[in-house]
Amino acid sequence: SQQGEEDPQALSIQEGENATMNCSYKTSINNLQWYRQNSGRGLVHLILIRSNEREKHSGRLRVTLDTSKKSSSLLITASRAADTASYFCATKEGNTPLVFGKGTRLSVIA
Amino acid sequence: SAVISQKPSRDICQRGTSLTIQCQVDSQVTMMFWYRQQPGQSLTLIATANQGSEATYESGFVIDKFPISRPNLTFSTLTVSNMSPEDSSIYLCSVVSGDEKLFFGSGTQLSVL
Repeated sequence: SQQGEEDPQALSIQEGENATMNCSYKTSINNLQWYRQNSGRGLVHLILIRSNEREKHSGRLRVTLDTSKKSSSLLITASRAADTASYFCATKEGNTPLVFGKGTRLSVIA
Repeated sequence: SAVISQKPSRDICQRGTSLTIQCQVDSQVTMMFWYRQQPGQSLTLIATANQGSEATYESGFVIDKFPISRPNLTFSTLTVSNMSPEDSSIYLCSVVSGDEKLFFGSGTQLSVL
């Protein structure tokens, strides 16, 4: 299985600090995506990075991809209480459906 | 982007009964996906629903347990049949955009007693 593995499983930080989450996977991919889930509801797409890209930014989010190490990281800068959620990476290989990792639960304390 | 209305948002059901979950999309889409998320776990794909053909089920999921309908390009239902407590999960429908991003419904939180 190429399921991604997020690290850490849970992360607790103070408001204003940066949060970094990591994702490792096992096979070659077309792209890697990050999603956020609030309180067990529907997931929201955050950012997509393609296999030929190394870094992407979107607002306070920064994603890196290292295909040689089969890993990605999501950095949330200047975190806010509203960033409290679970974050999932998902990998896309060929024409197969997206495969989701186990997620990181982020708690931002005001 | 796509907006997906999913209902019910939650339900508590007795074992042995069935529950049908509905998803309505605000645009026509070729494929709709149904996921299960067991408590504290990741998302697992149940099946892919195409309009006009039978759904394609992933390993470990069967049509008798999770029948799916796809009567048109904007609507799909998933039924969880003959429920047991092990079926307690969040069920999510989703569609894919042209640039490979998934859009999700708000989820159905199912508890089976």
